[in-house]
Amino acid sequence: SQTIHQWPATLVQPVGSPLSLECTVEGTSNPNLYWYRQAAGRGLQLLFYSVGIGQISSEVPQNLSASRPQDRQFILSSKKLLLSDSGFYLCAWSGTLEAFFGQGTRLTVV
Amino acid sequence: GEDVEQSLFLSVREGDSSVINCTYTDSSSTYLYWYKQEPGAGLQLLTYIFSNMDMKQDQRLTVLLNKKDKHLSLRIADTQTGDSAIYFCAEIPSGYSTLTFGKGTMLLVSP
Repeated sequence: SQTIHQWPATLVQPVGSPLSLECTVEGTSNPNLYWYRQAAGRGLQLLFYSVGIGQISSEVPQNLSASRPQDRQFILSSKKLLLSDSGFYLCAWSGTLEAFFGQGTRLTVV
Repeated sequence: GEDVEQSLFLSVREGDSSVINCTYTDSSSTYLYWYKQEPGAGLQLLTYIFSNMDMKQDQRLTVLLNKKDKHLSLRIADTQTGDSAIYFCAEIPSGYSTLTFGKGTMLLVSP
């Protein structure tokens, strides 16, 4: 069966520090991979999606970036965090019909 | 992208039925989805419906689709306190490969 791992579960980082969130998928190959952010207003905002290794599409301009170094690995990064980067970050993968989500990372920038 | 709209909050008593409504904008969306998010957790796919269906039932869950009005609803029968969560409606609009979500409906079930 397919599983998705996302870590860490919680993270507190100072303003200006770098960020690296990692997501890996098991049990499938060549998945579409996504990073979403969920802010306090509860809506889900699509940040990046990838249809293959090295292929990244950005939906919202910001100081975040994403990379896909391997087929089933998706990384969300920042060189310098802002206070406004605080939120709940969700990684997801999709096959033909459905999307499956990781358990999320609660990021607090202080 | 397209907008998916939901009411933000619903409160019901345990044992009652809950109906969560959603309006989507792309009539050519092939699949429509309902996701559940419990506090501090990721989203869990509850069910989905093909656009050529009017209704889908899965145990306590009933999904109704009105394509003419672009209206999707999720009915939860015999609602339990464990059903308290945020429920998201989602679609994949024509020409897109990503899910577009509504802002979510917070369901609060009181004993």
